Parts: sequence; structure tokens; C-alpha cells
Amino acid sequence: KAGVTQTPRYLIKTRGQQVTLSCSPISGHRSVSWYQQTPGQGLQFLFEYFSETQRNKGNFPGRFSGRQFSNSRSEMNVSTLELGDSALYLCASSLFGTSGHNEQFFGPGTRLTVL
Amino acid sequence: DQQVKQNSPSLSVQEGRISILNCDYTNSMFDYFLWYKKYPAEGPTFLISISSIKDKNEDGRFTVFLNKSAKHLSLHIVPSQPGDSAVYFCAASALGGSNYKLTFGKGTLLTVNP
Repeated sequence: KAGVTQTPRYLIKTRGQQVTLSCSPISGHRSVSWYQQTPGQGLQFLFEYFSETQRNKGNFPGRFSGRQFSNSRSEMNVSTLELGDSALYLCASSLFGTSGHNEQFFGPGTRLTVL
Repeated sequence: DQQVKQNSPSLSVQEGRISILNCDYTNSMFDYFLWYKKYPAEGPTFLISISSIKDKNEDGRFTVFLNKSAKHLSLHIVPSQPGDSAVYFCAASALGGSNYKLTFGKGTLLTVNP
């Protein structure tokens, strides 16, 4: 079974621009969660989508948004990029989502650098 | 408000010895705990988990201990191998309410020296 894939793997943007990251979950998984990883903060939860609906959201500003398509693929968008948005963005998929105890499988991440 | 804390940013051990990684949590609603391992340039991979109805779970060289009264869990790796060198994240979740997302600690970098 193919794992979670994320595209692109690396991205360089400048302040003020916007960016869209893509995540394809494991086949059959209906939940996709997004996390931001920075050296000082560890993994911070952004949001979770399940069956095309945002089911949970972390404490990030509205510049961070996402969506999920009917095939469970998900995109994350960051508008008006700031230097502090430079991070590794990780996507994770699971069968039932973060509600209920089931394992999340992570993709390799997208390394975003904002100049 | 950091609900899952890994107070040791790094740990160095000799090959063959025991590695003990610690994790504390503050939210009493957490009832499921997981450990993930992360190598550079890769996403975290699931290692082992434990439900709050247990106090120990073992999988090969990896054992997780849970002390609910102290709100503390630990991951033991015996014997440690150089390939275990990675960042280890502790995570917690709870059924229901607003706590059902996975909450991660900041990670501990384990270095196993040959």
C-alpha cells in the first residue's frame, strides 16, 4: 500500500506571497491532519479534515486554511506569508481521524522557506 | 499551554545500554498515548502506543510505561542501537470533547553512540 505523499517536497517563497501544499492520504483513509513543525515548537496541530469537512482546528491564524476533496486528497493554503511561516509542514492520514484511538501515518513533509 | 511536555531536548547513550525517554502531561482527559520516531527529512513514524487502562506495553526492544497518577510516561529502548538515533515525539489524545486531536510534545533527540 502506498504511503502518504506530499507535494512539493521543498518550496521557497517570499514574504507576502501565498502557497498551496498538497497531500494524498493512504488509500482508504478518510482523515487528513496537518501539522507544522519548527525547531522550537515541535509538532503543532493545524487542522483535520474528515470526509471533506474540517473537524478540528488548532490555534493558527486565519491565513492558514485547508480543504479536502472527495477522493480524500487535501490541500493546505497559507496566504500573506511571513518569515515565521518557514517550517516543515506535515500531513498525516488515518482511517477514522484523530477522534478515536487510531494511528496516524505521516508523509515526508513539505519544507517551506520564506525569504 | 503545553499539555504534553518532553523536558529533555536531547539524550545521549552508548550502544547496548538502555535509553529512557520521558514525557509528562497535564490534561487528565488524555487516555491514549503514542510515541513517534522521526529521522531528518522524513515524516514521523509510529513506534508504540499505550491505553490508559494499561501501565505497560512492550514491543520488541521498546517498552512504554504509564503512570497515570503522576501523569507521566516513559519509553525504554533496550538495547539501544545506533539506528535508534532520531527525534522521539510523545503524543496524547482523548476520546470525545475538544481533546481528540493528537497533541505532541516538542521531541527529544536521542543519539546512540557506537
